[in-house]
Amino acid sequence: QSALTQPASVSGSPGQSITISCTGSRSDICSYDFVSWYQQHPGKAPELLIYDVTKRPSGISGRFSASKSGCTASLTVSGLQAEDEALYYCSSYTISSTLTFGGGTKLTVL
Amino acid sequence: QVQLVESGGGVVQPGESLRLSCAASGFIFSGYGMHWVRQAPGKGLEWVAVIWYDASNTYYADSVKGRFTISRDDSQNTVYLEMSSLRVEDTAVYYCARERQPYRDYPYMDSWGQGAMVTVSS
Repeated sequence: QSALTQPASVSGSPGQSITISCTGSRSDICSYDFVSWYQQHPGKAPELLIYDVTKRPSGISGRFSASKSGCTASLTVSGLQAEDEALYYCSSYTISSTLTFGGGTKLTVL
Repeated sequence: QVQLVESGGGVVQPGESLRLSCAASGFIFSGYGMHWVRQAPGKGLEWVAVIWYDASNTYYADSVKGRFTISRDDSQNTVYLEMSSLRVEDTAVYYCARERQPYRDYPYMDSWGQGAMVTVSS
């Protein structure tokens, strides 16, 4: 159960767009479309942002979008706002019927 | 509204056992799969275990397999995580989380508890 690979940090100015990548393997992302993204603010529990690769739960801003190509999933945050500063984690279902997370990416809004 | 409240955290010595509980309310508990996810201090999320809505299946991370047991009591609307042979590296905040859709294995967690801290130290 190897963790998915994410960049440790990304940054952008207010109004800009950023993209966070998440690379997996044949045991997870390559083989399944059960990919999700979570946002976590300091001291808080994670919040589901994206599921089924591209879908947003109700209440999640349309500024968050996602995609997948091969073994890499991506999360794009458009129109960056100060409140987007947080940790972002990708997750995938695995061949072992388990889940695996990425190491997390810290988004800094400059 | 959906509420998940973890309890049972604390400080234990290596090799000891501990049981976490997660009390659920605001939804039909028996219809949902439940997960435990942990986060070591200053580290990322680590998935720990899942129990299906009908308890027919349980799955574990390799790091806890054989030491941790997830179970549920639908009459009490509670999911448990029994942890034995605890190690220093098990120190973390443990979150329980509910799957997004009922009556199926659907690997997305849309409601989370506030977390329970488990510290394993000699």
